[in-house]
This record gives sequence, structure tokens and C-alpha cells, in this order.
Amino acid sequence: DTQMTQSPSTLSASVGDRVTITCRANETVSNWVAWYKQTPGKPPKLLIYKATTLERGVSSRFSGTDSASETEFTLTISSLQPDDFATYYCQQYVNFPLTFGQGTKVDVK
Amino acid sequence: QVVVQESGPGLVKPSETLSLSCTVSGGSINTDGFYWTWIRQHPEKGLEWIGFIHFRGRTSYNPALKNRLTISVDASENRFSLKLTSLTAADTALYFCARGRGYPLDSWGQGTLVTVSS
Repeated sequence: DTQMTQSPSTLSASVGDRVTITCRANETVSNWVAWYKQTPGKPPKLLIYKATTLERGVSSRFSGTDSASETEFTLTISSLQPDDFATYYCQQYVNFPLTFGQGTKVDVK
Repeated sequence: QVVVQESGPGLVKPSETLSLSCTVSGGSINTDGFYWTWIRQHPEKGLEWIGFIHFRGRTSYNPALKNRLTISVDASENRFSLKLTSLTAADTALYFCARGRGYPLDSWGQGTLVTVSS
């Protein structure tokens, strides 16, 4: 299985901060990566797909990058808002079984 | 806007079979390009992809569950289903159904908690 490793596991930040989460794959996944946000008691919500494409209706404060290595990806929130405190997951969807990262919890500093 | 909603028993005994359904509303399950997907989340843990079905019948299963898993679609009822046999405590989880647009999951149900216990 393709392993997706997120770092950090927990990130403490304040409203207005710029935060970046990294996701590394143990094999190439091209740019077939999605990012999701999950708040307690809710299902995940798609934020970004194909590594850099913002899902319709998602704030432009969210952005994704890929890399030439096709194994390292980042999710950046440009200016953290109160609703952004949540857990974020990356997912690769090119190799079966499809796999998720273990999650990064963004909490209040 | 499509809405998906899980239904099924909250408590299942060990060794028994779990049957969950996912009803799709606001859109047809008979639409090319969509993959009707099951995912689960163990308590306080991350997400595990279970598998999907396309309305034409193509399925893909997680090998870790493949021997116990069946995903089917009922186009006449606009719903798809999951059957997981030989349950153990390790199958206790929050089960989500979702629509895969291609494979990114763009519409999720609220999830249904399944507890395996005697």
C-alpha cells in the first residue's frame, strides 16, 4: 500500500497565522492528491484535489502545492480563521488501495 | 446538490455480517464518472478506504477487507450497499458513504457508528 505520512501530527497556531501541512508519499503518486478538513462530529470535507485545484466553494485561503518528486505535497492556510481549527487529511488516489495520511490536528495555541 | 446518507444497525455481534445502505438523493447513481464509496474511521483514528462501486458494476476493494467484503448497487432505489462478514471488534468504527468524483470524495454522509460487541 502507498503510505502517506503527514507532518506535523499536531500544529498549534493562532488566528491570522499562516500554517503549512506536509504530506509525503512513500512512492510516486504524480499529483493525484486530495486534501480534506474534518471537524469533530462531522464528515470530512474536500478542500483540494489534483494537488493544487481548489474545490468549488472553498476559500482561497487554502492552497496546495506539489513537487517535482511527485511524492511531497503541502496544504497551506494563508490566514487561519476560527473555523479552520480542525483535522486535515491528505489522500492519494492513484494507487490501490486508496490511502489517507494519519491526519494533522490544527489546534489553538 | 447530491446528498448521501448511511443507514444500518448500530450494534452487531462478533462473527455476524454487517449490512449498510447508502441512499443517494439530489442526483442519479447512474451517472458516469462517479464512484460510490465506503470509508471507515476507527475511534479517534484516521480514515480507511473500504472500496467503491461504479453504477456499471466495476468494483474496487481494499485488499485488507476483500475476502469479507461485498459492495453492490441498486440503481432502481438509487442506493448502494456494503456487506462485511465475520465481524470482529476491529471492525468497530464510524462508517461513511461518499460520492467519488473520479476518486476524490466530494459528498459525504454524516456517518453511522457500528459497534461490534456481544
